[in-house]
Amino acid sequence: GESVGLHLPTLSVQEGDNSIINCAYSNSASDYFIWYKQESGKGPQFIIDIRSNMDKRQGQRVTVLLNKTVKHLSLQIAATQPGDSAVYFCAEARSNSGYALNFGKGTSLLVTP
Amino acid sequence: EAGVAQSPRYKIIEKRQSVAFWCNPISGHATLYWYQQILGQGPKLLIQFQNNGVVDDSQLPKDRFSAERLKGVDSTLKIQPAKLEDSAVYLCASSLGTPLHFGNGTRLTVT
Repeated sequence: GESVGLHLPTLSVQEGDNSIINCAYSNSASDYFIWYKQESGKGPQFIIDIRSNMDKRQGQRVTVLLNKTVKHLSLQIAATQPGDSAVYFCAEARSNSGYALNFGKGTSLLVTP
Repeated sequence: EAGVAQSPRYKIIEKRQSVAFWCNPISGHATLYWYQQILGQGPKLLIQFQNNGVVDDSQLPKDRFSAERLKGVDSTLKIQPAKLEDSAVYLCASSLGTPLHFGNGTRLTVT
């Protein structure tokens, strides 16, 4: 079936470095993509989203890139901080399905001093 | 604005018992979702409501799971009878379009 997957289960970066978390999706009908951060014991927290009519979107210290040709999504975090340590999930949805999100398994980001 | 409220935060039951979870979405959010998150995995959609109507319940195990949103605001998710494999975090989310806003979930342990 359709799936959203992540290339790496864990990522370790040094404080101050930039982080890149990658995600692949397989449903070409997906037109909405989103990244969440999940800390232990908490629900997913919205980071940034992007629609299929865009290739790039920037937020505060975060950038999402969408490559529809290869069905690839990435999250870039600039100047990674210890507080960024968490599990990051990408998810995809179709606007004609009420934006019900299909999540991948997640990447654990560990920021070391 | 207040976030999505869920209760209880934790629940431990024995298999074959029943359990119910409650969700209060963000005020004004018409769409409400219940997700199941098994340890080490991403959340999986169980059911989606638009106001008090069901939009998608294709992944809800209807032989044991039920959910309702009678007045189009609060929602309850029930499991009866519970199985060991139901141990998970049950997340509620609400939205007014996008993005979805999640609560902190109810962690269910079935022994």
